[in-house]
Amino acid sequence: NAGVTQTPKFQVLKTGQSMTLQCAQDMNHEYMSWYRQDPGMGLRLIHYSVGAGITDQGEVPNGYNVSRSTTEDFPLRLLSAAPSQTSVYFCASSYVSNQPQHFGDGTRLSIL
Amino acid sequence: GENVEQHPSTLSVQEGDSAVIKCTYSDSASNYFPWYKQELGKRPQLIIDIRSNVGEKKDQRIAVTLNKTAKHFSLHITETQPEDSAVYFCAASKGGYQKVTFGTGTKLQVIP
Repeated sequence: NAGVTQTPKFQVLKTGQSMTLQCAQDMNHEYMSWYRQDPGMGLRLIHYSVGAGITDQGEVPNGYNVSRSTTEDFPLRLLSAAPSQTSVYFCASSYVSNQPQHFGDGTRLSIL
Repeated sequence: GENVEQHPSTLSVQEGDSAVIKCTYSDSASNYFPWYKQELGKRPQLIIDIRSNVGEKKDQRIAVTLNKTAKHFSLHITETQPEDSAVYFCAASKGGYQKVTFGTGTKLQVIP
């Protein structure tokens, strides 16, 4: 039981490049979410999903896409990377939204 | 939508003293209130949670209280230790297809 696995752990991109941050969970959780955390700041919700095929926007969705084709996976796509997207990205999951969330170890993303 | 406010943003206490962090929420339908601890460079982890049908919950040195009428809940840490130093986040949710809303975090420093 690995919990929530995020890959990669670190990534450096150039402005304009695209990439996908991977998130997988093996706990059969329905609710999954992506957050970004900037230095000294809290967790800002990017996108979330309440089950396979269902996604919705959080408070900072611009520049990011998500899809949820399976219960286990919830990838986050950066369409055209910008320096403002330099951050630490956390994926989290729970059975439903009003249950404890399990966080991955995070992806540290730098965009030059 | 739900709005969660968290205070204070920073808190310094002497080792052995108590620490209290307060959160208010706006949506009276919210029914689940977790607290997460994030150590430097690590992922957030659940330390305690409370549901709307309970007024108080304790786990060793940590307690959470909920006042549904006033729509606020608080984290109490007694006999603080240096290892309690971290950022603490409160959150609120109401389940179903609704997202989890986080507070902005409190950086707690326990001075030996």
